[in-house]
Amino acid sequence: AQSVTQPDIHITVSEGASLELRCNYSYGATPYLFWYVQSPGQGLQLLLKYFSGDTLVQGIKGFEAEFKRSQSSFNLRKPSVHWSDAAEYFCAVGAYSGGGADGLTFGKGTHLIIQP
Amino acid sequence: EPEVTQTPSHQVTQMGQEVILRCVPISNHLYFYWYRQILGQKVEFLVSFYNNEISEKSEIFDDQFSVERPDGSNFTLKIRSTKLEDSAMYFCAGRTSGGTDTQYFGPGTRLTVL
Repeated sequence: AQSVTQPDIHITVSEGASLELRCNYSYGATPYLFWYVQSPGQGLQLLLKYFSGDTLVQGIKGFEAEFKRSQSSFNLRKPSVHWSDAAEYFCAVGAYSGGGADGLTFGKGTHLIIQP
Repeated sequence: EPEVTQTPSHQVTQMGQEVILRCVPISNHLYFYWYRQILGQKVEFLVSFYNNEISEKSEIFDDQFSVERPDGSNFTLKIRSTKLEDSAMYFCAGRTSGGTDTQYFGPGTRLTVL
């Protein structure tokens, strides 16, 4: 069974500073990886996803993530954070069988706080 | 841009009561999901639904839970006899096709069982 670990429960970053959120996964085959963001009172919004190909993927709102198979990691980065980036960030892994209806496995999330 | 919607946004119920949580997926979605998030914990997969039947379910999705899509638009999650531990945020999600297509999530329903 797959699993996702987000080792940082909270991260505080100054506005304008760079950001990296860590995500490690466990899955026997090639994983399908996602980052979702959840603002207070909102649903989960997809930031980016990795299925295959280029291991550096670009997402919305200036985010990017790099898939590193050797480290079983899919860390999320942003060169300069904005106050509006304060939210909960979830890494997830999908295991797609032929049926294609498999659910996602989520990490526990990282709460991002932006300091002025 | 079309969105997945869920009603109600917050539901309070007494232990032992039945609740029905409703979701309206985006019109071209074919695969549907329910997830839950207990306060302070991670989002957990409950069930997937395709072609009017359950495709996959987790250990959490026991006989107290059921899903259906009665009218081709709403997708519902029913909890027959709620327990205190059912208190959580419940998210609906949908996607157009199988394989590697993205799941789009609704805003969630917060269920509080007293």
